[in-house]
Amino acid sequence: EDKVVQSPLSLVVHEGDTVTLNCSYEVTNFRSLLWYKQEKKAPTFLFMLTSSGIEKKSGRLSSILDKKELSSILNITATQTGDSAIYLCASQGAQKLVFGQGTRLTINP
Amino acid sequence: GAVVSQHPSRVICKSGTSVKIECRSLDFQATTMFWYRQFPKKSLMLMATSNEGSKATYEQGVEKDKFLINHASLTLSTLTVTSAHPEDSSFYICSANRQNQETQYFGPGTRLLVL
Repeated sequence: EDKVVQSPLSLVVHEGDTVTLNCSYEVTNFRSLLWYKQEKKAPTFLFMLTSSGIEKKSGRLSSILDKKELSSILNITATQTGDSAIYLCASQGAQKLVFGQGTRLTINP
Repeated sequence: GAVVSQHPSRVICKSGTSVKIECRSLDFQATTMFWYRQFPKKSLMLMATSNEGSKATYEQGVEKDKFLINHASLTLSTLTVTSAHPEDSSFYICSANRQNQETQYFGPGTRLLVL
């Protein structure tokens, strides 16, 4: 059965810190890995990764995929209180998107 | 990005009634839409994949007679929760792909409370 596991499940840091969120996957016919940010409503798209070792960057957020290790990380530098959210990792297989449990990130001022 | 809307955003209903939730892709055509539900502090669970003009594909454990899905056009899919019960209370989210793209764009979700 396809599976996506995220760690940590919960993380509390101070504003300005750098955080790394982890995602590992076991998916048949892997096609891509996606990161989403979920605040109070539905998830908003952050990154889609298909190639190993190529970093994708958007402002203070960056992500990279390691197909050999079947994993991905999401980095957030110089965190701000507005980064507080649940970060979801999802893996696209042949048929569907499988989500991890999410990491609840809290940034304290 | 792409815009997906859902209606209603929140609904409260009595046990035994049916509730219809609409999902629309506003600026693109979506041959495939997906329906998820999310319980508090849990991740998204795929319920079904909705294909325009054909029957939906349901995930294991999801009752197709209880969660009716209709995808009548390239921009609209509906989910009807029939004979709703309190355990159906949840956050229902739809998503859609642009044609030939894998990124799923999510609607804002519908919070259903069944009394």
